[in-house]
Amino acid sequence: KNEVEQSPQNLTAQEGEFITINCSYSVGISALHWLQQHPGGGIVSLFMLSSGKKKHGRLIATINIQEKHSSLHITASHPRDSAVYICAVVPWETSGSRLTFGEGTQLTVNP
Amino acid sequence: NAGVMQNPRHLVRRRGQEARLRCSPMKGHSHVYWYRQLPEEGLKFMVYLQKENIIDESGMPKERFSAEFPKEGPSILRIQQVVRGDSAAYFCASSPDPTYEQYFGPGTRLTVT
Repeated sequence: KNEVEQSPQNLTAQEGEFITINCSYSVGISALHWLQQHPGGGIVSLFMLSSGKKKHGRLIATINIQEKHSSLHITASHPRDSAVYICAVVPWETSGSRLTFGEGTQLTVNP
Repeated sequence: NAGVMQNPRHLVRRRGQEARLRCSPMKGHSHVYWYRQLPEEGLKFMVYLQKENIIDESGMPKERFSAEFPKEGPSILRIQQVVRGDSAAYFCASSPDPTYEQYFGPGTRLTVT
């Protein structure tokens, strides 16, 4: 069983819909990251969280440390949001901040 | 401030050759991480380096792979005697501090023929 599980694996939405991607993890962590991987392969860091909630534009990320769960929400989705969204954690027992990744969620937003 | 730079962006090697992948971190970043993404798979940690030191290499294959981050110049991931299974996208990321977010480079796509 992976230490980081994401759901759903694939998600198709219509433009304008509210989207939620979930991430559950099984280890104690010092931080959780949400990343976006574009169709061309580049990776962009969206959020780094250790508690609570963060918002950037139409993106909102929340984390519940007790339940070992995080969600990424996209409001008013747009076709340009189509990408793979990856949840990654920094386990407590690791040195530095090496990331352990989920398998990613492929999001497709249709016009 | 330029982002994380990786070169080459694409690299083709024949089986048995050596591959050298370079990563120049963002200015002011002294922490570098290498990750590998095999075809149709997720990202996996390989190695974490700070200037002149390997901090964590627990994700590196035991043979043929090595990494360095010298005092001057880019970080280098070196793969000796490449095999087809080494074909993957190799990403590096940098941060100014291990508690800060990581900034990713565009990746090097290695193809072994």
